[in-house]
Amino acid sequence: DTAVSQTPKYLVTQMGNDKSIKCEQNLGHDTMYWYKQDSKKFLKIMFSYNNKELIINETVPNRFSPKSPDKAHLNLHINSLELGDSAVYFCASSQAREQYFGPGTRLTVT
Amino acid sequence: TQLLEQSPQFLSIQEGENLTVYCNSSSVFSSLQWYRQEPGEGPVLLVTVVTGGEVKKLKRLTFQFGDARKDSSLHITAAQPGDTGLYLCAGTGSGGYQKVTFGTGTKLQVIP
Repeated sequence: DTAVSQTPKYLVTQMGNDKSIKCEQNLGHDTMYWYKQDSKKFLKIMFSYNNKELIINETVPNRFSPKSPDKAHLNLHINSLELGDSAVYFCASSQAREQYFGPGTRLTVT
Repeated sequence: TQLLEQSPQFLSIQEGENLTVYCNSSSVFSSLQWYRQEPGEGPVLLVTVVTGGEVKKLKRLTFQFGDARKDSSLHITAAQPGDTGLYLCAGTGSGGYQKVTFGTGTKLQVIP
């Protein structure tokens, strides 16, 4: 049973399109995150939700909007995609300090 | 802003050699985690250290948290090709909400 799952695994789209990435965790954790990993492998936090409530919102453009319909799901919607949005996006969940990551979604904007 | 600098950035060694990866910051962390990430996958937790000066061992991997809880090291003895991957340290801040900051990463290649 996959602990943290993300769909899709790969996403190729054109500039200006809107796309969503879905994340689900079956660990019963209260906190979920979205991270962006750039080409240099730097992992940067974007958002964090605790019990469906937004608690961290780093300096991310308004085009990115997270949505948490329940504690087990945290989806990421991106409007008006730009070339610079190309990266690998990771969802993670945690109950304490340790984080459990999904397999990542590689987004390529052409 | 809390920053975690890892060194070296890249490391390519022969199987059987020893190596040390460093994770340094000017900030104090309440705990520090080490993760390993393989290509096409998400980071996987290796260990958490909490107390200043703490040493933890995981088979051939030894993790140490600095006395002042600002830095950490990962030492691998007799590296194996299976150790190849991206090693990330991550510091957890103190306070009401424990924000996690990831290090800059160390890419390790162990050549058979």
